[in-house]
Amino acid sequence: SQQGEEDPQALSIQEGENATMNCSYKTSINNLQWYRQNSGRGLVHLILIRSNEREKHSGRLRVTLDTSKKSSSLLITASRAADTASYFCATPNGDDKIIFGKGTRLHILP
Amino acid sequence: DTAVSQTPKYLVTQMGNDKSIKCEQNLGHDTMYWYKQDSKKFLKIMFSYNNKELIINETVPNRFSPKSPDKAHLNLHINSLELGDSAVYFCASSQARFSPLHFGNGTRLTVT
Repeated sequence: SQQGEEDPQALSIQEGENATMNCSYKTSINNLQWYRQNSGRGLVHLILIRSNEREKHSGRLRVTLDTSKKSSSLLITASRAADTASYFCATPNGDDKIIFGKGTRLHILP
Repeated sequence: DTAVSQTPKYLVTQMGNDKSIKCEQNLGHDTMYWYKQDSKKFLKIMFSYNNKELIINETVPNRFSPKSPDKAHLNLHINSLELGDSAVYFCASSQARFSPLHFGNGTRLTVT
C-alpha cells in the first residue's frame, strides 16, 4: 500500500528561486527519506530525517518533519537547471518495506 | 566504480517470451530489492532479499521469480511476458533495515 504522497505533482520555477515539495504519510515512521530521480536514471538518496528530528540541512536542501501532522517538506534553495528531476519521499513501514510516494516533477526554467 | 549495476539497460521482447535481468552490488550490503516503476513513475516494491534469503514477496504474479546466488547478486527472471509487464525495473540495495536505498539505473522492459 502507498505510504507517502507528494504535493504538488509537478512544479515549474525560475532558476534561482526556491522550490518546496511536500510529503504526507499515513502511519508511524522510523524515518523519512527523500530521493531524486533524473530522467532515465535510478533514484539517488538525498537526505534522511529521523522521527525524533524536526529539521535537517544538507547543502541547499532543507527537510522538515512534523510527525503530528504526518508530513514532511523538502526545500531546495537557489534552484539550478541541474535540479530538474523528480523528487520522491519514502518511508519504511512496519513490514520492513520502504514505500515511495508518486513523486513531484520539478522543472527549473532558465 | 558502479555501486549497483543492472543488465541489460534496455530489453525489448515479444509476449510469451522468458527473460532475465541481472543485478550486482559492490557495496557489501546484505539486503537487495527489486522495484517496478510504471509509466506514471509510481515505484512499487516487488521483492527483497537479506543475505540470500527472501524476506519480502509482494503480490507479484508467480511468473516473476527472483534468485540470489550470493548476497551481492539478485537476479529477476520473468516467464511468459505480458504487455502489462512493460515498465522500468530497478534493483536496489541497503546496508541495514530502514537504511537508505542505493539504486541501479534501471532496466527498461518493453513487451510487444
